[in-house]
Amino acid sequence: SQTIHQWPATLVQPVGSPLSLECTVEGTSNPNLYWYRQAAGRGLQLLFYSVGIGQISSEVPQNLSASRPQDRQFILSSKKLLLSDSGFYLCAWTPGLGDSEQFFGPGTRLTVL
Amino acid sequence: AQSVAQPEDQVNVAEGNPLTVKCTYSVSGNPYLFWYVQYPNRGLQFLLKYITGDNLVKGSYGFEAEFNKSQTSFHLKKPSALVSDSALYFCAVRDHYTGFQKLVFGTGTRLLVSP
Repeated sequence: SQTIHQWPATLVQPVGSPLSLECTVEGTSNPNLYWYRQAAGRGLQLLFYSVGIGQISSEVPQNLSASRPQDRQFILSSKKLLLSDSGFYLCAWTPGLGDSEQFFGPGTRLTVL
Repeated sequence: AQSVAQPEDQVNVAEGNPLTVKCTYSVSGNPYLFWYVQYPNRGLQFLLKYITGDNLVKGSYGFEAEFNKSQTSFHLKKPSALVSDSALYFCAVRDHYTGFQKLVFGTGTRLLVSP
């Protein structure tokens, strides 16, 4: 069966520090991958999505970037964190084809101080 | 553009009573609709989806949803609520125009089931 992992689970970082969040999927190949941010326990904002290695699409301009160095690995990064980057970051995946739902990881709680 | 609306920020219901969480959608073409649940500090869990077929869709944990094309609604229902159903619920619609499975989420409805 397929599983999705995110780490770390929680992170507290000072303003101006770098960021790297990792997401990996097991048990599938060629997944579509997604990064979301959820602020204040409410709506989800799609940040990035990827349909293959090295293929990244950005939904909103921001202080963050994403990379996909391997088929089942998706990384969210920042060179210098802002206070507004605080939130709950969720990774998700879908099979590359078909009408499947998205499957979400457990999330990373980021607090920027 | 595709969108969903969840008109209620919070729904309160007593344990054992039926519950309804509302969702309306706006799409061009046939809608692909989804419901997810989120418990505190957790990722979203898939409950059910409507792609085509029967208007009444059955999902996980005893939940079901009714697709109503004339009212453009996809309300989530459960005949008898449990305290453990208390959580944040999201409705979502698939965006057909990006060429892949991008979902557009509603703002969420908090369900509170009292003992």
